[in-house]
Amino acid sequence: KNEVEQSPQNLTAQEGEFITINCSYSVGISALHWLQQHPGGGIVSLFMLSSGKKKHGRLIATINIQEKHSSLHITASHPRDSAVYICAVTGGGGADGLTFGKGTHLIIQP
Amino acid sequence: NAGVTQTPKFQVLKTGQSMTLQCAQDMNHNSMYWYRQDPGMGLRLIYYSASEGTTDKGEVPNGYNVSRLNKREFSLRLESAAPSQTSVYFCASSADRGYTEAFFGQGTRLTVV
Repeated sequence: KNEVEQSPQNLTAQEGEFITINCSYSVGISALHWLQQHPGGGIVSLFMLSSGKKKHGRLIATINIQEKHSSLHITASHPRDSAVYICAVTGGGGADGLTFGKGTHLIIQP
Repeated sequence: NAGVTQTPKFQVLKTGQSMTLQCAQDMNHNSMYWYRQDPGMGLRLIYYSASEGTTDKGEVPNGYNVSRLNKREFSLRLESAAPSQTSVYFCASSADRGYTEAFFGQGTRLTVV
């Protein structure tokens, strides 16, 4: 079973700061997902990647397959970025479906 | 564009009662999933259906049953609810197993007293 670890668990930053959230996993994967969960609970997919780097607006996700590590970056952070960010993986010997990290609770203060 | 729709959003049950959580997707996805989310833990897979007519157990299946009624709908049933099943439940779907983007419902907050 794949083990997915995220760091930090909690992060408070000031508006405008550059944010990095890290994710590591224990077994080779087919894909890694970054998800966002807002207060109120809905979960949306931000990125799915299996190699390299993806960018969407102020969000950047990178993955290093050899090191089994991914990072999610937020540039010019804003209070509306406050949410729980969840890393999840597919593949790696488990059942179908996603294996999730515990999430990073991000608060951006004005 | 509804995506994944779950009902109900909130439910309170007494221990021993039964209920069914409904999930429907309108994206013609093959794969559907039920997860539960508990404080301090990541989401965990309860059951999944890789295609219409098939279902398989995930990490935490005990106390639950599922039905893939057709390609659109995947329901989760609690036959005799227990306080340990108090959780937030999410239905999700993807085009093809776990290798494509996942879409989530809004969640069902279930309390068993």
